[in-house]
Amino acid sequence: NAGVTQTPKFRVLKTGQSMTLLCAQDMNHEYMYWYRQDPGMGLRLIHYSVGEGTTAKGEVPDGYNVSRLKKQNFLLGLESAAPSQTSVYFCASSYQGWNTEAFFGQGTRLTVV
Amino acid sequence: AQSVTQLGSHVSVSEGALVLLRCNYSSSVPPYLFWYVQYPNQGLQLLLKYTTGATLVKGINGFEAEFKKSETSFHLTKPSAHMSDAAEYFCAVSPVGGATNKLIFGTGTLLAVQP
Repeated sequence: NAGVTQTPKFRVLKTGQSMTLLCAQDMNHEYMYWYRQDPGMGLRLIHYSVGEGTTAKGEVPDGYNVSRLKKQNFLLGLESAAPSQTSVYFCASSYQGWNTEAFFGQGTRLTVV
Repeated sequence: AQSVTQLGSHVSVSEGALVLLRCNYSSSVPPYLFWYVQYPNQGLQLLLKYTTGATLVKGINGFEAEFKKSETSFHLTKPSAHMSDAAEYFCAVSPVGGATNKLIFGTGTLLAVQP
């Protein structure tokens, strides 16, 4: 049982490049989330989805886009990477919502130079 | 707006000593409350949560937390620290009801366990 899988685990981008982070879950969860983790700031919600075909903005959505075309996948896109987007990105999923346990992937360490 | 404060970004204890990690929330209505643990180079995993009912909640690995409404607190404790408890711990809150459905994390407390 894989749980939540993030691809890739590490990436270095040049300023202005684009990329997509993939998150896949095999638990049939409705809710999926993308967070970024920065030192001293905890986890901040970028975007989330409450079901297939739906997405919503979190606390820090600027510079990111997401899509949830299939229930099991949640993609995070950076259209034009900036050094301020250097961070560790975590995907998570949960069965019903904010009051149920969130299962996290192992993270993607992104460096923008 | 809902917020959560973790007092102490770094806590160091000796092996076998009591672990106490502090978490306070700001909300007029008690939210759902969570503690997550992050081991090095891994994602977060749930230690325990409080939604309703008994205010003393037991979690995995011998941890427990007590919800105290009067103090707006949800401190995490473990009677005897083990070397394997070294990790970063995050308190999180989720508002009950309303339109603002989010899980809000504190800034984390890094626990070091000295031999």
